[in-house]
Amino acid sequence: AQSVTQLGSHVSVSEGALVLLRCNYSSSVPPYLFWYVQYPNQGLQLLLKYTSAATLVKGINGFEAEFKKSETSFHLTKPSAHMSDAAEYFCAVTAGGTSYGKLTFGQGTILTVHP
Amino acid sequence: DTAVSQTPKYLVTQMGNDKSIKCEQNLGHDTMYWYKQDSKKFLKIMFSYNNKELIINETVPNRFSPKSPDKAHLNLHINSLELGDSAVYFCASSPAGGLSSYNEQFFGPGTRLTVL
Repeated sequence: AQSVTQLGSHVSVSEGALVLLRCNYSSSVPPYLFWYVQYPNQGLQLLLKYTSAATLVKGINGFEAEFKKSETSFHLTKPSAHMSDAAEYFCAVTAGGTSYGKLTFGQGTILTVHP
Repeated sequence: DTAVSQTPKYLVTQMGNDKSIKCEQNLGHDTMYWYKQDSKKFLKIMFSYNNKELIINETVPNRFSPKSPDKAHLNLHINSLELGDSAVYFCASSPAGGLSSYNEQFFGPGTRLTVL
């Protein structure tokens, strides 16, 4: 079974500051990990994913995440926040094999960006 | 040219009614999903179909019945609606489930269901 914990339901940063959204996972098999972003009243959009290739994954809009097996973490970062980054971010995990792409989501982190 | 579309976008109904939500994808994907997002924004998978075959069926009341007439469509029918069914329901699709679990899922815009 898989589970995801996102530390901090709300994160607030100033425009231009570093963004760090934390995600820890639990999985009995090697995981595939995803970060999705949800803008108000919209569906989810994939930011990036880890699928056992490079541990540092680069995504859209300047985001990246690093898979750390020893820490069971997949934190999302962006060097410089932009106002347009304000949204809710979801970390998700799935396993291969017979999981059929079943995504287990964290509880989400709302990112607020101040001018 | 919307990739994953859902109708209706908003649905307000009374307790006890029966309603359906429709989902269509034009991406040529084999696998489609239904997720429920509750009032606290927690997302949980409900069902998945791969090429019209049910492959994921989570612990969901049997008042919820998915139907896939073809691999481009996955509908959700809900009988005897209850207050607790109020949520946003998202449809998603991906190229394939199973051994391709690393594939991105493409989400629709959601259907906000309000049960009064």
